[in-house]
Amino acid sequence: QLLLQESGPELVKPSETLSLTCTVSGGSISSTTYYWGWIRQPPGKGLEWIGSIYYSGSAYYSPSLKGRVTISIDTSKKHFSLHLTSVTAADTAVYYCARDRAVRGEFALWGQGTLVIVSS
Amino acid sequence: QSALTQPASVSGSPGQSITISCTGTTSDIGTFILVSWYQQHPGIAPKLIIYEVDKRPSGVSDRFSGSRSGNTASLTISGLQAEDEAYYYCCSYAGHSTLVFGGGTRLTVL
Repeated sequence: QLLLQESGPELVKPSETLSLTCTVSGGSISSTTYYWGWIRQPPGKGLEWIGSIYYSGSAYYSPSLKGRVTISIDTSKKHFSLHLTSVTAADTAVYYCARDRAVRGEFALWGQGTLVIVSS
Repeated sequence: QSALTQPASVSGSPGQSITISCTGTTSDIGTFILVSWYQQHPGIAPKLIIYEVDKRPSGVSDRFSGSRSGNTASLTISGLQAEDEAYYYCCSYAGHSTLVFGGGTRLTVL
């Protein structure tokens, strides 16, 4: 079955760029049905949608993070990536990648999540 | 774009029914039928339990049901079981290919 796995540094310094990759295995990343999204959850807090991307590269972002976030996709490597610039402690969170049916909030498949701490 | 509003906590006894509300605006829940609900147990990724307001993914118990009225969506869990104790989050399409989540509700089964 299709699996998602996040990877990347667990510790990022303030003002630097947080970069994570989500690898898709057991299925196609180039499906015309799905978008691939990033969602984060600060410790003890709720979920926040970061953005989503289509296999073609079309990407949509949360208005609150727009300007700092870029999501890209590499279909040949079967992964998509998150880049968040100028991070602060407020960006400390568990970051999840997930699959959505278009941009509908229908995330039926999730990665296990990875905790990223922003600290010097 | 503000987070959807959910009660911080709800509780119920085994066998009872509870309802969790999720209040948005005319920019999200009030206009679009793309409301979903997630169940999250501690330390585990969320699980989709309702989509498109009232549809259940395959394998999700029919004890979970969803509805919408005006700017408010609701999740009802009937026949509460101990395993239902978890956090629940609503999510809505908010136009221009954006999404917004609720703040989350902690369900305690007494």
